Amino acid sequence: SQELEHSPQSLIVQEGKNLTINCTSSKTLYGLYWYKQKYGEGLIFLMMLQKGGEEKSHEKITAKLDEKKQQSSLHITASQPSHAGIYLCGAGLLTGANNLFFGTGTRLTVIP
Amino acid sequence: DTGVSQNPRHKITKRGQNVTFRCDPISEHNRLYWYRQTLGQGPEFLTYFQNEAQLEKSRLLSDRFSAERPKGSFSTLEIQRTEQGDSAMYLCASSLGALREQYFGPGTRLTVT
Repeated sequence: SQELEHSPQSLIVQEGKNLTINCTSSKTLYGLYWYKQKYGEGLIFLMMLQKGGEEKSHEKITAKLDEKKQQSSLHITASQPSHAGIYLCGAGLLTGANNLFFGTGTRLTVIP
Repeated sequence: DTGVSQNPRHKITKRGQNVTFRCDPISEHNRLYWYRQTLGQGPEFLTYFQNEAQLEKSRLLSDRFSAERPKGSFSTLEIQRTEQGDSAMYLCASSLGALREQYFGPGTRLTVT
């Protein structure tokens, strides 16, 4: 989807480093969902954000949705090789819409 | 395992043949979605069901595509007269309702030769 942009498109980090990836939209986000995908597999749900300013954490991953609900960030603390994969944000871009739009994702590589 | 399951996982077919994929959602989920994902892209919405009713279809879903969810449980996606451009990963997801998180299956990878 051209409506959602990920930055960076790819990222290589050393194990133990912190990192942040971003998902930006030109439109208001009605629900923002972060997923992780390994090559050739399905998407694994990570977190859902709905309210402007909302922040959620699970294990070493923290996701935030900005106040204007047009950008979300995903922060990983002390990265591990198990964090490697493609991180995708999916969002509702129309109020009342039932389908999600996805960006192309950020490919994360963690070097042991 | 109570997650979303899809069968088959891989399908290779010749151009012009028909193929059918099956999705079994999480049992208590009333919403079921189909997406298509090509290499290097994010998933693209195709259609969704609430119970047995197909409520929305993307313009990506040409006349050659048909989806059903006859009893509000499993769903099938059929592609008739396959074309090489249909080669993709077909993903199924389910959710408890609107604006709830969607849980995805492992996908069916279709290759049209």
